[in-house]
Amino acid sequence: EVQLVESGGGLIQPGGSLTLSCAATGFSLSSNYLSWVRQAPGKGLEWVSILYNNGNMYYADSVKGRFTISRDTSNNTLYLQMNSLRAEDTATYYCTLISMMVVAIDSFRVWGQGAMVTVSS
Amino acid sequence: QSALTQPASVSGSPGQSITISCTGTDNDIGSYNLVSWYQQKSGKAPKLIIFEGRKRPSGISNRFSASKSGNTASLTIAGLQAEDEADYYCCSYAGTIRLVVFGGGTKLTVL
Repeated sequence: EVQLVESGGGLIQPGGSLTLSCAATGFSLSSNYLSWVRQAPGKGLEWVSILYNNGNMYYADSVKGRFTISRDTSNNTLYLQMNSLRAEDTATYYCTLISMMVVAIDSFRVWGQGAMVTVSS
Repeated sequence: QSALTQPASVSGSPGQSITISCTGTDNDIGSYNLVSWYQQKSGKAPKLIIFEGRKRPSGISNRFSASKSGNTASLTIAGLQAEDEADYYCCSYAGTIRLVVFGGGTKLTVL
């Protein structure tokens, strides 16, 4: 069964750093496309970062230069390193497995349960 | 301000059908047959219910259907059930620069 399990969320002060982890089971990270999608409290969905199977990384303008997506294929885990955190980064962060249509993003096929990040002093 | 426009809320009685619209532009919905829809129940992660515009993943009820006309995609839920009460989000591929865009979500209330 394909499953994604996030960890690493918590309360962090503005300007601080935090790293989220997403353990994947049932498939190989190295041959798939993955993303982080976030949802601020009471708000809609926003894609944050996308990692292609060839290693290409993409970021939303709101996090570019502050967040870094990466993967460790030895333990099949996806990461999101978040630096210079701001109050507006407060959200539940979901790890997702992406389905592709050739070179285009088809859909966010599988979602983890989410990790809550609260940025507050 | 979300890139795709959805109504904030819709409602219907059990057994009725409802339709949720999702309006984009020539640069997203209008250019690609890659609209997806997600159901999010309270306190849970979103769940894919429609992909490639009108296809249902395994296990999704055929009461859920979707279509597209021009720059607007639509999700229809037939035979409403209490368990359908949730937030629904549309999403579209938007090319190699913007990648994907989401709608702001629609809260479905089953009366």
